[in-house]
Amino acid sequence: EPEVTQTPSHQVTQMGQEVILRCVPISNHLYFYWYRQILGQKVEFLVSFYNNEISEKSEIFDDQFSVERPDGSNFTLKIRSTKLEDSAMYFCASRQDGYEQYFGPGTRLTVT
Amino acid sequence: GNSVTQMEGPVTLSEEAFLTINCTYTATGYPSLFWYVQYPGEGLQLLLKATKADDKGSNKGFEATYRKETTSFHLEKGSVQVSDSAVYFCALRVQETSGSRLTFGEGTQLTVNP
Repeated sequence: EPEVTQTPSHQVTQMGQEVILRCVPISNHLYFYWYRQILGQKVEFLVSFYNNEISEKSEIFDDQFSVERPDGSNFTLKIRSTKLEDSAMYFCASRQDGYEQYFGPGTRLTVT
Repeated sequence: GNSVTQMEGPVTLSEEAFLTINCTYTATGYPSLFWYVQYPGEGLQLLLKATKADDKGSNKGFEATYRKETTSFHLEKGSVQVSDSAVYFCALRVQETSGSRLTFGEGTQLTVNP
């Protein structure tokens, strides 16, 4: 069964560094998402992406964040200058038109 | 705005016990409602859904009924198994948002002991 994959599973970085979290959505999906979950808190929507552009973003998704689909398979989330409060589990999801979102296993980001 | 509230966890049950995890929501528009499950080390998996009032979603022995009058979508299972141990998330989606974002509850950790 096709699945969404994410790499790395765990990323440790120092405050102020740039990180790129990678996702490979299911191959025939057209809509892509990033969510995050700070430890002990809710899963929060960050951004949705369709047709090579952002379709919706939350107030969390400020200028420090960006998303890209650099080729036909990857979908990336970049944080330009990480802060301690960016430490969280980041989930990628994808879906076909009219269908439900499929989630990846997540990347745990630890900012020290 | 849209929000989802789940019962506080964690929940610990013995095998074959009855499970209820409460979920209530606030939404503008007409939401679809979901339960997702996360097994250890895995991503969020859709467990069941309901798209309109009075619909009942069901899967793997779990059920939830969309109650518009009480704005609730409680998850139930008549007899839990050890393999049901996981984190359960209630979520909603309002069709009007262009990106179809999901709004999640806090998650409820369920542990089932043999």
